Amino acid sequence: SQKIEQNSEALNIQEGKTATLTCNYTNYSPAYLQWYRQDPGRGPVFLLLIRENEKEKRKERLKVTFDTTLKQSLFHITASQPADSATYLCALDMSPAGGGNKLTFGTGTQLKVEL
Amino acid sequence: GAVVSQHPSWVICKSGTSVKIECRSLDFQATTMFWYRQFPKQSLMLMATSNEGSKATYEQGVEKDKFLINHASLTLSTLTVTSAHPEDSSFYICSTEGQGVKNIQYFGAGTRLSVL
Repeated sequence: SQKIEQNSEALNIQEGKTATLTCNYTNYSPAYLQWYRQDPGRGPVFLLLIRENEKEKRKERLKVTFDTTLKQSLFHITASQPADSATYLCALDMSPAGGGNKLTFGTGTQLKVEL
Repeated sequence: GAVVSQHPSWVICKSGTSVKIECRSLDFQATTMFWYRQFPKQSLMLMATSNEGSKATYEQGVEKDKFLINHASLTLSTLTVTSAHPEDSSFYICSTEGQGVKNIQYFGAGTRLSVL
């Protein structure tokens, strides 16, 4: 069956360091992959979308890589700040025909940036 | 992007009652909206896709008679949890497709439902 895996354990890092979160998927070849941020008791907020023909994408302190051979995406936050503390979700369109708009989300990784 | 408003943010009800949750697209006309449910420490699970002017498409295992979805206008979709029971207690979140890039979804703030 199709599956998306993210580190279930929380990630604690020190302020100023780079946080790296992992998203692995199986049995699928998505056309794109997305990352969202979710704060407690709130809906997710879109951060970045990377397409299958893109190796890397950046937005301010965020960087996403996409390795379709490894079936893995890495999400980096450089110069992390306590305000970056949240749960980060990766999401794929896993509808059988592809090209759709129904997203399947990973379980998310909780990031805590400490002073 | 898109601005999505969801109400109420928190509701407590007695077992057996029905609860209606509203999802509004404030700044563009949304032909498609999505309803998700999220249990603590778990991911978002898609419940149904709401299409303006037609019946919603439900995911496998979601009871359409229990979770009634109405998308009567391009700016409003509602989810009614009928005859709610404690096991329906969860965090319900709606989203719309992006206006520019359809693959991106924009979410409401969510509704915390507690059924006593």
